[in-house]
Amino acid sequence: DAMVIQNPRYQVTQFGKPVTLSCSQTLNHNVMYWYQQKSSQAPKLLFHYYDKDFNNEADTPDNFQSRRPNTSFCFLDIRSPGLGDAAMYLCATSRGTLADTDTQYFGPGTRLTVL
Amino acid sequence: EDKVVQSPLSLVVHEGDTVTLNCSYEVTNFRSLLWYKQEKKAPTFLFMLTSSGIEKKSGRLSSILDKKELFSILNITATQTGDSAIYLCAVRPYDKVIFGPGTSLSVIP
Repeated sequence: DAMVIQNPRYQVTQFGKPVTLSCSQTLNHNVMYWYQQKSSQAPKLLFHYYDKDFNNEADTPDNFQSRRPNTSFCFLDIRSPGLGDAAMYLCATSRGTLADTDTQYFGPGTRLTVL
Repeated sequence: EDKVVQSPLSLVVHEGDTVTLNCSYEVTNFRSLLWYKQEKKAPTFLFMLTSSGIEKKSGRLSSILDKKELFSILNITATQTGDSAIYLCAVRPYDKVIFGPGTSLSVIP
């Protein structure tokens, strides 16, 4: 059974048209992450939530926002997508941050195309 | 600045060969090091290493961490074409994950 679900799997948007990507989890994990992965590059962390606490990476553009209305769901909002924002967006979760045995579970990703 | 370096960036081997992938890191507040395999989809978790010198094994894959020298290796023995993938090393300082650039492994018959 899928544990980290991302919708849609493929998203096409127009330059400058806002888009929202969705992630949900059935693991009841405290931490949810959003990564951007461009072609042939490693995933790059955009931000993460620990419960309701939002943690933005210093180099994440203001164009990217996130919401976590409850434990299960987390959204990535791109306010004005540019051509350079075309990428795979990966959602991941982990139970917490303190336990050394913690690991991270990834969703299948949403591939965003910007026309 | 925290960083993770992997080498080589790409590698082509023949089936049956043994490969060693390298990962070195510089981070503050190191918690653990993770290895992932990524085919044409999201990364899948392979190993998490937190203690030096303790080898973790899963079938033909094994990994070990050296916290003094700040590196880890991932070994794959008797490689198969299904091992072709990008292998990502990531380090966890507290509550985030920093990925290296990955090693692209191609196993040819």
